Amino acid sequence: DAGVTQSPTHLIKTRGQQVTLRCSPKSGHDTVSWYQQALGQGPQFIFQYYEEEERQRGNFPDRFSGHQFPNYSSELNVNALLLGDSALYLCASSPGFGQSSTEAFFGQGTRLTVV
Amino acid sequence: AQKVTQAQTEISVVEKEDVTLDCVYETRDTTYYLFWYKQPPSGELVFLIRRNSFDEQNEISGRYSWNFQKSTSSFNFTITASQVVDSAVYFCALSGGNDYKLSFGAGTTVTVRA
Repeated sequence: DAGVTQSPTHLIKTRGQQVTLRCSPKSGHDTVSWYQQALGQGPQFIFQYYEEEERQRGNFPDRFSGHQFPNYSSELNVNALLLGDSALYLCASSPGFGQSSTEAFFGQGTRLTVV
Repeated sequence: AQKVTQAQTEISVVEKEDVTLDCVYETRDTTYYLFWYKQPPSGELVFLIRRNSFDEQNEISGRYSWNFQKSTSSFNFTITASQVVDSAVYFCALSGGNDYKLSFGAGTTVTVRA
């Protein structure tokens, strides 16, 4: 049973560009959350998707957007990249919405470097 | 708002020593959940434990144990007889009420030397 898979594993982008990160949830999971982890810090919640809708959002600008597909996979898009967007982006999946959504399994992350 | 504080930035021990990681939390919710995750160098966050606010029983799982004290808003984690494979960053996290996101502490880096 595959766990949470993210692609790509590493990415280098230039300031001002746009990037799309992808996540496939663990089998049987229908809720996907995204977190940003800057170097030396704890993960920060970006947003959560359930039934193809954004259900909860953290304190991130509108440059960060997402999507969930009918097969529960998800994308994170970041526009107008800034140097400060360099971080490890973690995807987490969980079964159902609500407190059960905190029983989260995390992927290995995508390391984004903005130059 | 939820807040988690892990005051210890780094801990270094010799193999077989015990190590305790401190976690202090703040929340206004009466129902909340506390977590510990391990992050090895590969980057993936590995779930270790989830504890709800109504269950203050301490828990032991192999060499891992957790001490939850609501009176001091603490949820500490002890690794007994540490091993080199325990070297990682450990995060304490909190969620509560209708806020389903995880709020993480800054993490504690544990280095176990052979």
